[in-house]
Amino acid sequence: AQSVAQPEDQVNVAEGNPLTVKCTYSVSGNPYLFWYVQYPNRGLQFLLKYITGDNLVKGSYGFEAEFNKSQTSFHLKKPSALVSDSALYFCAVRPGSGNTGKLIFGQGTTLQVKP
Amino acid sequence: ETGVTQSPTHLIKTRGQQVTLRCSSQSGHNTVSWYQQALGQGPQFIFQYYREEENGRGNFPPRFSGLQFPNYSSELNVNALELDDSALYLCASSVRLAGLTDTQYFGPGTRLTVL
Repeated sequence: AQSVAQPEDQVNVAEGNPLTVKCTYSVSGNPYLFWYVQYPNRGLQFLLKYITGDNLVKGSYGFEAEFNKSQTSFHLKKPSALVSDSALYFCAVRPGSGNTGKLIFGQGTTLQVKP
Repeated sequence: ETGVTQSPTHLIKTRGQQVTLRCSSQSGHNTVSWYQQALGQGPQFIFQYYREEENGRGNFPPRFSGLQFPNYSSELNVNALELDDSALYLCASSVRLAGLTDTQYFGPGTRLTVL
């Protein structure tokens, strides 16, 4: 079965420290990988994606993600966290096979950045 | 903010009723996908519409149906509402070119409560 796992329900980080939000996946083919962020009572906001090429992908608001094919992981990172980064983060994968563009989401990780 | 809009913002229905949710896609986008996000969960793919036809469906019963109009806007219809249908319904628009669907951009969602 195709799935995405975000092993941490919550990540707590002090402002100014680096942050990592973990994501692993299990899908067929060469997947497209995405990170979205959701603020309270809002829709999902696109942060970044990996399709092919350099394993380190840079996105919005200083976020980046590292694709690791052997570990089937796509961890989200930021060198210096801001209090305003506090939100719910979702990893999503689009399987490489088929053309529906269906996204499979993880359960989400709440990021808390404390001053 | 994306150019994807959804209406209404909130909706309260009773079990057995029918509901229609609406979505206007971002300018230039020709594909609309619908997702259901239950409380505390990641979004689940319902279906996708391209060229006014359903193009892929998730694990949802036939009482979930949709339409896409010539201007690429879309409707999600749910018949015979059940309590478990209470969720945030998200619409995402994207561009499909050469058989591939690009990044999906989400609207703010419609919060449906079934009593």
